[in-house]
Amino acid sequence: DSGVTQTPKHLITATGQRVTLRCSPRSGDLSVYWYQQSLDQGLQFLIQYYNGEERAKGNILERFSAQQFPDLHSELNLSSLELGDSALYFCASSPKIGFREAFFGQGTRLTVV
Amino acid sequence: ELKVEQNPLFLSMQEGKNYTIYCNYSTTSDRLYWYRQDPGKSLESLFVLLSNGAVKQEGRLMASLDTKARLSTLHITAAVHDLSATYFCAVGMNSGGSNYKLTFGKGTLLTVNP
Repeated sequence: DSGVTQTPKHLITATGQRVTLRCSPRSGDLSVYWYQQSLDQGLQFLIQYYNGEERAKGNILERFSAQQFPDLHSELNLSSLELGDSALYFCASSPKIGFREAFFGQGTRLTVV
Repeated sequence: ELKVEQNPLFLSMQEGKNYTIYCNYSTTSDRLYWYRQDPGKSLESLFVLLSNGAVKQEGRLMASLDTKARLSTLHITAAVHDLSATYFCAVGMNSGGSNYKLTFGKGTLLTVNP
């Protein structure tokens, strides 16, 4: 158990809908990263937050957004869902500055039908 | 843009054999990671390699890093079925302050056959 908690584990929704994925980082970790894993694209970095602020953006679609709250949990919002958004979404957290190994949650499997 | 290439992408090997997975990356990085992923599961950290010439071993797996060649290898010795999984290398880069990003290779699906 990495200590990073993601909910829900599975999500099935229809095209055009909006969903929210939640991530609780390891205790004391200030950085949260979101990754998307799909068969064709592999593991793609989406976005990083550090202590509530957005710090880095990767290949994140405009239909997707994220935020990190004062208690350091993070949410990834996916809207106007398309079939191609079906993927495994991972959250990772890393310890305080100076030690950058990321610990991954169990992921949320999103299926868009 | 940092590119990370792994090869092979698929590897089928017999129990007891040795093999090596290669990870090449395109720009200077400050550390190299190896992860293991079982089907439908999360990524488990195997090794973090911090400097040129670093070598780490855990059981039948050994990872090494050559920063000059921008190459890391994951060597499997006397493979056993339990090693069947997908192995990812990831390159870490600090773009300033607390901005830190891991870029992953496409992964190597390893199947160890009896």
